[in-house]
Amino acid sequence: EAGVVQSPRYKIIEKKQPVAFWCNPISGHNTLYWYLQNLGQGPELLIRYENEEAVDDSQLPKDRFSAERLKGVDSTLKIQPAELGDSAVYLCASSSDTNEQYFGPGTRLTVT
Amino acid sequence: GEDVEQSLFLSVREGDSSVINCTYTDSSSTYLYWYKQEPGAGLQLLTYIFSNMDMKQDQRLTVLLNKKDKHLSLRIADTQTGDSAIYFCAESPGGSSASKIIFGSGTRLSIRP
Repeated sequence: EAGVVQSPRYKIIEKKQPVAFWCNPISGHNTLYWYLQNLGQGPELLIRYENEEAVDDSQLPKDRFSAERLKGVDSTLKIQPAELGDSAVYLCASSSDTNEQYFGPGTRLTVT
Repeated sequence: GEDVEQSLFLSVREGDSSVINCTYTDSSSTYLYWYKQEPGAGLQLLTYIFSNMDMKQDQRLTVLLNKKDKHLSLRIADTQTGDSAIYFCAESPGGSSASKIIFGSGTRLSIRP
C-alpha cells in the first residue's frame, strides 16, 4: 500500500512569490492534515479535513495561506505571498482512525 | 494550555538501553504517542498508549505512563545504529479536539560505538 505522497519535496522561491504544495493521502483515509514543522520543533497543525470539509483551521494564517481538498481526496496548500518566515517543512498526514496518523515525507520550503 | 516537553538530546552506547522522557500538561489527554523521524523523512508512528494504561510493550519498545505526574517515557532496548533519529512525544487532548495532536520539540537520539 502506498503511503502519503507529497510534492514537490523541495521548493525554493523568492519572498512575495506564491507557492503550492500537493498531498495525496493513503487510499480510503477520510481525514487529512497539514502540519508546519520549523527547524528543531515538532509539527504544528495548520488545518484538518474530514472528507472535503475543513473541520479545524484555527491555526491557519488565513491572510496568506489557503487550502482545499476537492472531492475529499487530494489536497493543496497554498501560500501567497510567501514571507521569509514561512521557510519550514510542510507535512501532510492522513488517517482513517484518529489514533494513527500517517505522515508523508514533507515539502521543504526555502524562501529567499 | 496544552504543552509537551522533552529533552533535546540523548547519546547512548550501541547495545545499551535508551530512555527518552516527556512531560505533558493536559490531564485530559486520551492518547499519548511516540513518533520517530529520520533525516529528510516524515514522522513514523512507533507506538501509542491509552491514558488508562500504565505500560505498553512492543518488541524492543516499552512505554511507561505516570498519569499522576503527567510523565511518559520510551525505552528502547538493545539500541542499534538504526535507532538514530529524532523522537517526538505527542498527546491527543480529550473532548471535541480529539483528533488534534500536540507534539513536543523532539529528542535527538545519537548512538555511539
